[in-house]
Amino acid sequence: RKEVEQDPGPFNVPEGATVAFNCTYSNSASQSFFWYRQDCRKEPKLLMSVYSSGNEDGRFTAQLNRASQYISLLIRDSKLSDSATYLCVSYNQAGTALIFGKGTTLSVSS
Amino acid sequence: GAGVSQSPSNKVTEKGKDVELRCDPISGHTALYWYRQSLGQGLEFLIYFQGNSAPDKSGLPSDRFSAERTGGSVSTLTIQRTQQEDSAVYLCASSLEPGLAGGPGELFFGEGSRLTVL
Repeated sequence: RKEVEQDPGPFNVPEGATVAFNCTYSNSASQSFFWYRQDCRKEPKLLMSVYSSGNEDGRFTAQLNRASQYISLLIRDSKLSDSATYLCVSYNQAGTALIFGKGTTLSVSS
Repeated sequence: GAGVSQSPSNKVTEKGKDVELRCDPISGHTALYWYRQSLGQGLEFLIYFQGNSAPDKSGLPSDRFSAERTGGSVSTLTIQRTQQEDSAVYLCASSLEPGLAGGPGELFFGEGSRLTVL
């Protein structure tokens, strides 16, 4: 099982739509999770940290389900500018390094 | 601003040559990562440095790859006898001291070094 797995998509949605991405992780001991955003040919940047039961930041909500070992990212009222690849991040089995999923691509159209 | 700086931004080399990629992290960041990203692929973890601890080299794909970090700051990733499959964008990231739950906080990435092996 890969350490972090994501549905690659692409997710093609119209403006204003609500879209959700899921990510599963294998390290049950991991305490911290993150969602990063990567625009085409750019470096990844932190979107949200996900701790304990999850958190919300404006139109973005991240949830953590420890029992099933998955985290989710919900984007409400999608904007054209939300088009990007969203990367799920967790710790490796050794608990030392941050491992990135392959990313889920979102395309928001007008 | 003084972000993570990587050089060269682009490198074209011939198969079999050695290359060195440099990363200058944000001042004060003790954690430093190297990742690589092939076209259309996710980030592949290579190596992690944290302070004076032994680096986590578990992601290095072969013994042709090595990295060092001098003085707890600048890091160099070296690829010996390059192969065409080494072609990728090599990304460096740094972060502050381990924070919540013993892990690093936000990773700040450089713009990457794009390596093309002919």
